[in-house]
Amino acid sequence: EIVLTQSPATLSLSPGERATLSCGASQSVTSSYLAWYQQKPGLAPRLLIYDVSSRATGIPDRFSGSGSGTDFTLTISRLEPEDFAVYYCQQYGSFPVTFGGGTKVEIK
Amino acid sequence: QVQLQESGPGLVKPSQTLSLTCTVSGGSISSGTYYWNWIRQPAGKGLDWIGHISTSGSTNYNPSLKSRVTMSLDTSKNQLSLELSSVTAADTAVYYCTRNGGLWGQGTLVTVSS
Repeated sequence: EIVLTQSPATLSLSPGERATLSCGASQSVTSSYLAWYQQKPGLAPRLLIYDVSSRATGIPDRFSGSGSGTDFTLTISRLEPEDFAVYYCQQYGSFPVTFGGGTKVEIK
Repeated sequence: QVQLQESGPGLVKPSQTLSLTCTVSGGSISSGTYYWNWIRQPAGKGLDWIGHISTSGSTNYNPSLKSRVTMSLDTSKNQLSLELSSVTAADTAVYYCTRNGGLWGQGTLVTVSS
């Protein structure tokens, strides 16, 4: 099983700032099958990024993904008020599919 | 557009079987090449993948739950279902059905308690 470790656990930033979220895998992620989700309280997760760097439909271009192998990054170029939420990475190249523990982006 | 809606008992007794249904609207569950997933999230915690079933009916389950999980498709009703046997309090969670590509239901809370 591929274990995904997200850091930091909490990121305290102000609107307009840049957010950099990390996701480390215990072994190489097959075929770059790495996704990022955003989740707000009481709602289902929303797909932001798939295949490491492809934005899902309707996702603004301030969200970008990068990385390869075992190290991946989600960058939010300028935080908007609606971006404060919990973010999860997910690998879907190997079974079982696994998720990271999440990074909470909170308002400073 | 395609939408997913989970349904089922909100309360299940320990040792019993949890049974959930996901109704797909706006599209056929058997068209295309998709994986239909069940994912759960205990309150205040992260996401756990339970398993998936493809449009052809092949399944993959999380090894941690494999002995207790059954997933199936009912094409006549355009539904997928999840059964989880011998539940304990540790199975209390919000259960989501999803389709690869980012489509999620709103989730349904299942509490295991006597």
